[in-house]
Amino acid sequence: SQQGEEDPQALSIQEGENATMNCSYKTSINNLQWYRQNSGRGLVHLILIRSNEREKHSGRLRVTLDTSKKSSSLLITASRAADTASYFCATDASTSGSRLTFGEGTQLTVNP
Amino acid sequence: DTGVSQDPRHKITKRGQNVTFRCDPISEHNRLYWYRQTLGQGPEFLTYFQNEAQLEKSRLLSDRFSAERPKGSFSTLEIQRTEQGDSAMYLCASSLVRYEQYFGPGTRLTVT
Repeated sequence: SQQGEEDPQALSIQEGENATMNCSYKTSINNLQWYRQNSGRGLVHLILIRSNEREKHSGRLRVTLDTSKKSSSLLITASRAADTASYFCATDASTSGSRLTFGEGTQLTVNP
Repeated sequence: DTGVSQDPRHKITKRGQNVTFRCDPISEHNRLYWYRQTLGQGPEFLTYFQNEAQLEKSRLLSDRFSAERPKGSFSTLEIQRTEQGDSAMYLCASSLVRYEQYFGPGTRLTVT
């Protein structure tokens, strides 16, 4: 079963605008990760935030984590058409670090 | 290409047939994971290896599914007596430590 829920399910914006995607989860976690998936392809790791971190940046990406609310957000600034993809949050809640539990994803469309 | 590779990329089979997929992880990675992804959903964990030992299996992995990782290098996932519900993308990932997982392009299985 899916632990995470992404919001919104679909997001359509114009190139240059910012895109914000949210993720909620149910259990305590070790870390939370965001992945991108282009249609029909494998997943690409974007960024990892540990449970003791509140915010992390990587290039045009900004991730926040609120463990009290069991939620995370991914902000993509100055979006480009090439950012069009599905974005998934994944939580690592296992003791062995053996599994990631993915949400259902947000489909982002950036219009040129 | 030093990423995770999967073979075949596409497989069409008739219900009741057996199929086998192969995953070659990044060479220095000792952790290997299998996930299944159906259309419009996030990946779901199937099983995990550390070196050659299969340490965790999801309850999604029924008796018809078996995975191996002989010698701790490549891995195979076999599905016996395929059913239409097995149609999905089968993703393999590898990692060196418990954090970022690197995904292959996936094998898309269609059971007719």
